[in-house]
Amino acid sequence: AQSVTQLDSHVSVSEGTPVLLRCNYSSSYSPSLFWYVQHPNKGLQLLLKYTSAATLVKGINGFEAEFKKSETSFHLTKPSAHMSDAAEYFCVVSEVTGGGNKLTFGTGTQLKVEL
Amino acid sequence: NAGVTQTPKFRVLKTGQSMTLLCAQDMNHEYMYWYRQDPGMGLRLIHYSVGEGTTAKGEVPDGYNVSRLKKQNFLLGLESAAPSQTSVYFCASIRTIPYEQYFGPGTRLTVT
Repeated sequence: AQSVTQLDSHVSVSEGTPVLLRCNYSSSYSPSLFWYVQHPNKGLQLLLKYTSAATLVKGINGFEAEFKKSETSFHLTKPSAHMSDAAEYFCVVSEVTGGGNKLTFGTGTQLKVEL
Repeated sequence: NAGVTQTPKFRVLKTGQSMTLLCAQDMNHEYMYWYRQDPGMGLRLIHYSVGEGTTAKGEVPDGYNVSRLKKQNFLLGLESAAPSQTSVYFCASIRTIPYEQYFGPGTRLTVT
C-alpha cells in the first residue's frame, strides 16, 4: 500500500526567502509523484510531476522538487517566495492498479507568505 | 475547450434530501474520478470510472452512487444526504499518456 506524509501542516516564510515543503512517501512500486497547489476557493493545479525520468523536476512558477529514493522524499522548494505563492500544497503519490492510476494525497501544507 | 466543469458550484441541502453533481469533460478522456476534500484530510477518492458505462468504488464510497452513461459526463449522486457529506467535491479527468489529472473547480456542498 502506498502512503504520503507531509511533514508540516503549516509553513510561514517571508517574501523573498526560500520555501521548503516536505513530503515523504512509501510505495511498493516505482512511484510517480506530484505536487499540486490549491489557492483559496479554487481547484487543484499541477505544479510538477516525477515519473522516473530526471530526479530533479522543475515545475511552474519557479518551483522544483527532487526525488530521493534513498530517503523516500520528494520535497518541494522555491528559491524566493512571492506573496502569490500563499496557498495549500498537496504531495501526491501514484501507483498503477487495475483501475488505472491510484492517487494517494497527502493532508496538505498551508503556505503563508509574509511581507 | 472548457476542460473539466462541475455543476453546481455551491449547494445547501437538508438532511435526507437528494441531489446529483455533474462533471463534464471535453478532452475525450476515458478515466474520470470523484473526490471529496475535507480539512486536514487531503482528497479522498469516492468513485471512479475507467470508461463509458463502467464505475468502481474508491476509498470512501458509502452514501454515494455514480453513473457514466456518456463518456464526457460523470455524475455523482447523494440519495439521502447526511451532515457528514458536507464537503468540497472535486471531479478529475485523466489523460493516461503522459499521465496527468485535470481537476474541476469543485462543488461546495453543505448538508444541514
